[in-house]
Amino acid sequence: SQQGEEDPQALSIQEGENATMNCSYKTSINNLQWYRQNSGRGLVHLILIRSNEREKHSGRLRVTLDTSKKSSSLLITASRAADTASYFCATDRITGANSKLTFGKGITLSVRP
Amino acid sequence: GAVVSQHPSRVICKSGTSVKIECRSLDFQATTMFWYRQFPKQSLMLMATSNEGSKATYEQGVEKDKFLINHASLTLSTLTVTSAHPEDSSFYICSARIRHYQETQYFGPGTRLLVL
Repeated sequence: SQQGEEDPQALSIQEGENATMNCSYKTSINNLQWYRQNSGRGLVHLILIRSNEREKHSGRLRVTLDTSKKSSSLLITASRAADTASYFCATDRITGANSKLTFGKGITLSVRP
Repeated sequence: GAVVSQHPSRVICKSGTSVKIECRSLDFQATTMFWYRQFPKQSLMLMATSNEGSKATYEQGVEKDKFLINHASLTLSTLTVTSAHPEDSSFYICSARIRHYQETQYFGPGTRLLVL
């Protein structure tokens, strides 16, 4: 079953603008991760934020985590056409003997040149 | 960084045949590997988790006899789609972790399966 739900489902912005994507989840987590997927390709890990962290930065990426609201946001600043892709949040939690990564439905980001 | 490869990248087969997909960790030993399936414009759905040397743990609704998983070594896991049907056509992605609770999961590039 899917744990994360992203919104919006699709986002279209102009190059140079910021893109904000949100993710909500239902159960307790160890960490939350954001991935990017270009059409027909594999996943690229973008950033991981642990359950005891509130904000993290990596280059043009900024991710926040609010465990009380069970939500996260990914901000891409100064977007580029090359940022066009699908973005997924994934929650990581330990179930039984293994740690499981569960993905949301994804957000399609289009950055217009 | 850690690299995971998959082979083949694309495969077309006839209905009723079996297809094997390989997933290799190239520069690290993976105690745990995961297999996901992704339908067009949808999310990744976890199919099964495999630990080296033991039987895979399948997610609810995934047929064990249909999707055979073998994790024979610390660098190789295989997924065999047996008696494939058109509805098995999908994008299959594997990923690997170095240790059971390692945070980082490394993903392969995926295998596009088309069953005619």
